Amino acid sequence: GQSLEQPSEVTAVEGAIVQINCTYQTSGFYGLSWYQQHDGGAPTFLSYNGLDGLEETGRFSSFLSRSDSYGYLLLQELQMKDSASYFCAVRVYNQGGKLIFGQGTELSVKP
Amino acid sequence: SAVISQKPSRDICQRGTSLTIQCQVDSQVTMMFWYRQQPGQSLTLIATANQGSEATYESGFVIDKFPISRPNLTFSTLTVSNMSPEDSSIYLCSVRQGADLYEQYFGPGTRLTVT
Repeated sequence: GQSLEQPSEVTAVEGAIVQINCTYQTSGFYGLSWYQQHDGGAPTFLSYNGLDGLEETGRFSSFLSRSDSYGYLLLQELQMKDSASYFCAVRVYNQGGKLIFGQGTELSVKP
Repeated sequence: SAVISQKPSRDICQRGTSLTIQCQVDSQVTMMFWYRQQPGQSLTLIATANQGSEATYESGFVIDKFPISRPNLTFSTLTVSNMSPEDSSIYLCSVRQGADLYEQYFGPGTRLTVT
């Protein structure tokens, strides 16, 4: 089976940098994704790591280390609008690469 | 990208009844998925629905309870049958435009309350 662990809550101030970690146990997967979900909204895709290393997309970066079964999402220059839930997810080998989600991290950005 | 709409957006239903949720995509997609999300919780995959084949259900979900149709590449329905209050949740449709692609798009969800 698969399991992904994330901190349940993180709090930071505007302009700061925050890192949301994701550790996983899975038998095999294509890559690690990150999704953002605002309260009452649909999850939206943020980033994907198919290979080890860092992927950068604007203020957001994501990292994967398969040898450590670990990844993280880094958010820089935090803004109030970044307050949301963030989910890591693995795309597993079977069933055409279904997406299995972690429990989510609620990020609160304070002024 | 893909734009997904779901109907209804929310409903309040009596226990023992059934509700069918519709998912419409603005483009043809290979893979469709149905998820359930309790408020403040993670997304749990119910089933994968690919056109031309039977839906594949995850552990804990069965076809009699959650029948799915996938008549074409832009549309799917999920029925929640014989509802109980434990079925109160948000149901989300999700699509991926190709098996080898990694980005998944989500519909706005259907908020179901069973009384």
